[in-house]
Amino acid sequence: AQSVTQLDSHVSVSEGTPVLLRCNYSSSYSPSLFWYVQHPNKGLQLLLKYTSAATLVKGINGFEAEFKKSETSFHLTKPSAHMSDAAEYFCVVSNNAGNMLTFGGGTRLMVKP
Amino acid sequence: SQTIHQWPATLVQPVGSPLSLECTVEGTSNPNLYWYRQAAGRGLQLLFYSVGIGQISSEVPQNLSASRPQDRQFILSSKKLLLSDSGFYLCAWSVDGTGELFFGEGSRLTVL
Repeated sequence: AQSVTQLDSHVSVSEGTPVLLRCNYSSSYSPSLFWYVQHPNKGLQLLLKYTSAATLVKGINGFEAEFKKSETSFHLTKPSAHMSDAAEYFCVVSNNAGNMLTFGGGTRLMVKP
Repeated sequence: SQTIHQWPATLVQPVGSPLSLECTVEGTSNPNLYWYRQAAGRGLQLLFYSVGIGQISSEVPQNLSASRPQDRQFILSSKKLLLSDSGFYLCAWSVDGTGELFFGEGSRLTVL
């Protein structure tokens, strides 16, 4: 069994300040973890993925996430928010075979000028 | 390169009318195909997935159905829409073993 919890449904930051979107997971095996971004009325786009290689994963648009097994976390960070980062972000856990995916509830990121 | 097409992009339908949303994938063979629904203010709900032609698994009981008549074509249907069917429908594909999903642009359905 596996599950994903995104601790914040909404996060608001000012442009130029750091972004932290939190994700905790549970899994009975070594999971693969993903972050996706969804802009309004669009499909989801992969930001980054962790598949048991380096625990610090770098993605597109300056985002990165760190896999912490001891904390069962995979938080998404960015040093400096841009207005174009305003979107909904989903944390996803997958089983080893890659055919069972569980989505978190999503976090809406708002960026203030 | 692989692409995914989903249509129509928006649809307004009366209660009780039929529905057909279509999704096609190009540039890959034998993909896993998925239909998700995203209701307003909620996360993604997996509706159907398919690992091959004619093979459909349903995750949630509902008045929707899915079909896969060809390897890279996935269709979501309903005979009679309900108000609760309104939402944003997303088609996606993946290749076994990766867990990575590639999404279409979505179809917004409003049932009145």
